Amino acid sequence: GQQVMQIPQYQHVQEGEDFTTYCNSSTTLSNIQWYKQRPGGHPVFLIQLVKSGEVKKQKRLTFQFGEAKKNSSLHITATQTTDVGTYFCASPRSSARQLTFGSGTQLTVLP
Amino acid sequence: DAGITQSPRYKITETGRQVTLMCHQTWSHSYMFWYRQDLGHGLRLIYYSAAADITDKGEVPDGYVVSRSKTENFPLTLESATRSQTSVYFCASSVADRNTGELFFGEGSRLTVL
Repeated sequence: GQQVMQIPQYQHVQEGEDFTTYCNSSTTLSNIQWYKQRPGGHPVFLIQLVKSGEVKKQKRLTFQFGEAKKNSSLHITATQTTDVGTYFCASPRSSARQLTFGSGTQLTVLP
Repeated sequence: DAGITQSPRYKITETGRQVTLMCHQTWSHSYMFWYRQDLGHGLRLIYYSAAADITDKGEVPDGYVVSRSKTENFPLTLESATRSQTSVYFCASSVADRNTGELFFGEGSRLTVL
């Protein structure tokens, strides 16, 4: 099964509201990556987190890696219609050289 | 800079037929991957390759065959297509071990098996 569980599966927000998606694992993750996929498009890399407690920002996006390296979050402040898409976290499997993706959170932004 | 390209973008086939999805990258990335994307399952790894002539199974390899005779190409073959293989297939590449490198995805190939 998947290494990381991602919630929520869907999120509808009004433009200007904040949005957060979470990824959780029962095991320690070596690192975690985040991707965005626009409707009908392909996943595009956003960022990678490696260190315990790491926080990185990209304009209105804030990425966090938990202290225990078992969870991560992506927070978008004041969503815009351009933020629409599905956000995936991904992490290497502990026992294999494979990048496993969470099931994704599909974000809809209502104008 | 062409990057990573997949062909065909759309394909309809019948159960039992052989189908090959092509993937070509111009970056000389060592690692290449095939994922399938289905509703409710996210992206699942089918096969990956660390270099030419080196391939390994991913999470869902059954029913698929890959080869990598050249660094830039990584075709995926469905030897006898089944309806359950209806999906969107993404090829991706990475300059390094995916533990430290981002994945660059192609545009995807949408396959329908009737």
